[in-house]
Amino acid sequence: GAGVSQTPSNKVTEKGKYVELRCDPISGHTALYWYRQSLGQGPEFLIYFQGTGAADDSGLPNDRFFAVRPEGSVSTLKIQRTERGDSAVYLCASSPRAGLAESFSYNEQFFGPGTRLTVL
Amino acid sequence: DAKTTQPNSMESNEEEPVHLPCNHSTISGTDYIHWYRQLPSQGPEYVIHGLTSNVNNRMASLAIAEDRKSSTLILHRATLRDAAVYYCILRDPLQTSGSRLTFGEGTQLTVNP
Repeated sequence: GAGVSQTPSNKVTEKGKYVELRCDPISGHTALYWYRQSLGQGPEFLIYFQGTGAADDSGLPNDRFFAVRPEGSVSTLKIQRTERGDSAVYLCASSPRAGLAESFSYNEQFFGPGTRLTVL
Repeated sequence: DAKTTQPNSMESNEEEPVHLPCNHSTISGTDYIHWYRQLPSQGPEYVIHGLTSNVNNRMASLAIAEDRKSSTLILHRATLRDAAVYYCILRDPLQTSGSRLTFGEGTQLTVNP
């Protein structure tokens, strides 16, 4: 079956512009995560959705970053007034569910290939 | 959050076993040990996880020390396709943060033909 897909694969924008990054999770997965990865570093958590609601947005760096998942499937990460420091690979992951104290057999995260964002 | 420590890099030869170490001396009793790997230009992928007992799956084995302060990911016969960054991650299902993955810098594994 299809894995997690992300579009676009590459996005080049200018400082100050607005960008949207899209994630299509695996069908039926209720949990969706966004991470970002700078060169040479491990991915850094941004936000996690359980269904339509953001269950944990503590990783969003500031109020220029916002994410939505209105129907509990596709998610969009939105970045306003982009800065050069926002340049990174933005990764999306999904998992069947993400309840606490449940077996992690249901909690493996499946990652997409990422969107490489370059802010000039 | 409990932290993990891994070597920055390791090298192996093709078709030989590889032992990737991870130290987690401040692990709590409810932390699970997870391993993910990231091949070049791809997102991370799940490898294996465990709590106390050693675990085996089709990809690898996970050996967990009796005191749980360290663990070792074992690739039984390395292939060129196993060249990747390997991340050792602790996750506590009793914590709100347990749903996320907290990546360190991982170990870059090079496999020589």
